[in-house]
Amino acid sequence: QVQLVQSGAEVKKPGASVKISCKASGYSFTTYSIHWVRQAPGQGLEWMGWVSAGNGDTKYSQNFQGRVTITRATSATTVYMELSSLRSEDTAVYYCARHSQWAYDIWGQGTMVTVSS
Amino acid sequence: DIQMTQSPSSLSAFVGDRVTITCRASQSVSNYLNWYQQKPGKAPKLLIFAESTLPSGVPSRFSGSGSGTHFTLTISSLQPEDFATYYCQQSYSSYTFGQGTKLEIK
Repeated sequence: QVQLVQSGAEVKKPGASVKISCKASGYSFTTYSIHWVRQAPGQGLEWMGWVSAGNGDTKYSQNFQGRVTITRATSATTVYMELSSLRSEDTAVYYCARHSQWAYDIWGQGTMVTVSS
Repeated sequence: DIQMTQSPSSLSAFVGDRVTITCRASQSVSNYLNWYQQKPGKAPKLLIFAESTLPSGVPSRFSGSGSGTHFTLTISSLQPEDFATYYCQQSYSSYTFGQGTKLEIK
């Protein structure tokens, strides 16, 4: 079936980086873009950026400009999101989601990232 | 950036009630407005896209309407499984979510 499976939970110290993976299966990987959305504990959803799985083009939210990098490995049908210079406010669940023409029709299960000294 | 504002932030209702949630955009987003449902500990689920289109498998008690800057999500007869948090999202210019509306059982 069509699914996105994310890597497991991470615990990082302030100032470190984290790289989360999102493996796609069950559909033509290069046809869609993959977006990243995060959700801090008890808070709403925040869009971070996207990558075109086809050509690798990216666009990032201004809120994360310079700290986030989204890449894809076509042969592995996997997208990666790396966030650097972590601070406590980056503690959140990070989701990848497939963008289908209008909206996010498939979501990953989420990856909890905890930033703590 | 386009700001999305939902109201109310929370809502209590009975099973069987008709419920409406509003989403306003700070500028026109045409019909590039989507709604998601999220249950605790789960990823969001697409409920409505392009203002009023239901993806396959979404019950017909859910409906969306509006255009430009004012949109509504209506649940015609609340079911126990509908108690969740609902988010609107614009995809007209970049991507922005509303702050969410938590729908609780009364």
